[in-house]
Amino acid sequence: SSELTQPPSVSVSPGQTASITCSGDKLGEKYVYWYQQKPGQSPVQVIYQNNKRPSGIPERFSASNSGNTATLTISGTQAVDEADYYCQAWDSSTACLFGTGTKVTVL
Amino acid sequence: EVQLVESGGGLVQPGRSLRLSCAASGFKFDEYAMHWVRQIPGKGLEWVSGITWNSHFRGYADSVKGRFTISRDNAKNSLYLQMNSLRPEDTAFYFCAKDSFGGWSDFDSWGRGILVTVFS
Repeated sequence: SSELTQPPSVSVSPGQTASITCSGDKLGEKYVYWYQQKPGQSPVQVIYQNNKRPSGIPERFSASNSGNTATLTISGTQAVDEADYYCQAWDSSTACLFGTGTKVTVL
Repeated sequence: EVQLVESGGGLVQPGRSLRLSCAASGFKFDEYAMHWVRQIPGKGLEWVSGITWNSHFRGYADSVKGRFTISRDNAKNSLYLQMNSLRPEDTAFYFCAKDSFGGWSDFDSWGRGILVTVFS
């Protein structure tokens, strides 16, 4: 079955830019969604339909999707952004895929 | 404000059954698809099952197909997951999640999750 592959970890200094990739076959032909999960909490959606931000999500979160790779970018990363991030897409009309997850550490 | 509250989790032996419930409020429940997503502690997210707004279509991950059944009661604003023939590998936190559409799209709201532990 298809998979969505993410780097296990990304480290970033405060104020710098963090980029998290999500790779999958023909991913650019699908909508990709991104979720943030902090320890002990439920996931929160930070991006929907490839590059749209839900209400309340800071502008420093942006995303793109093309070819086989989707990318979540956190500009001006803050300590509060330290969390696990997951991409999500539908492999078919009945198979939902989550990425393997990326732990973002703000050093 | 959307609220999703799971219940029904706990400890269960392999081969036994458990029924999870999710009480929804703060939105028109009968207009949105709903899902169950699980997470083994310390691991990633796994979609388990989804159901359209009118229950006309239900889908399952291969790992639970034939053992789990999703259902909903729009009159009671409630979502359910009947889990039969439970296995140790079903041990996880189970989240109830609201879709942003009546069909299947994404998960715009999540419950706090409930732990299911399958052990002998």
